[in-house]
Amino acid sequence: KAGVTQTPRYLIKTRGQQVTLSCSPISGHRSVSWYQQTPGQGLQFLFEYFSETQRNKGNFPGRFSGRQFSNSRSEMNVSTLELGDSALYLCASSLAGRDEQFFGPGTRLTVL
Amino acid sequence: GDSVTQMEGPVTLSEEAFLTINCTYTATGYPSLFWYVQYPGEGLQLLLKATKADDKGSNKGFEATYRKETTSFHLEKGSVQVSDSAVYFCALSYSSASKIIFGSGTRLSIRP
Repeated sequence: KAGVTQTPRYLIKTRGQQVTLSCSPISGHRSVSWYQQTPGQGLQFLFEYFSETQRNKGNFPGRFSGRQFSNSRSEMNVSTLELGDSALYLCASSLAGRDEQFFGPGTRLTVL
Repeated sequence: GDSVTQMEGPVTLSEEAFLTINCTYTATGYPSLFWYVQYPGEGLQLLLKATKADDKGSNKGFEATYRKETTSFHLEKGSVQVSDSAVYFCALSYSSASKIIFGSGTRLSIRP
């Protein structure tokens, strides 16, 4: 079974731009969660989607948004990029009602 | 609120040494506890989990026991290898929330 895939793996953007990251979950997994990893703040939960609905949200500004499609694939968008948004963005998928999450390799975003 | 505290790194050991990485948690309910491992340039991999008090999770020679009385979930391995060099994250999650709360991570380096 294929694991969680994320595209692209690396991105370089400039301040003020926007970016869209993509995540394809493991087949059969309907829950997709996003996390931001930085050296200073560690791993922080962004949001979780299940059946195309945002079910849980972390403490991030409205510039961070996401969505989920009917095939469970998910995208997250960051608008008006700031230098502090430079991070590794990790996507994880899980079966409904299960606490075990499976992570993708991440997208490394650099904001210049 | 819920939180996870783990020992600061880096931890440097010689090959075949005994490993302990301390982890304590604060929880309002009865979460599942996890150890994740992150190798350089990669996403997170689930190393082991325990879902209730006194459960022992184990995998690849690593073990951790869910101790409710001391709110701890320390990671141990009897004989480490160079290939164990990575960053280890202690974490908790509730099946109803789909949000993982991570500790700050402990970088482990093993000398040949």
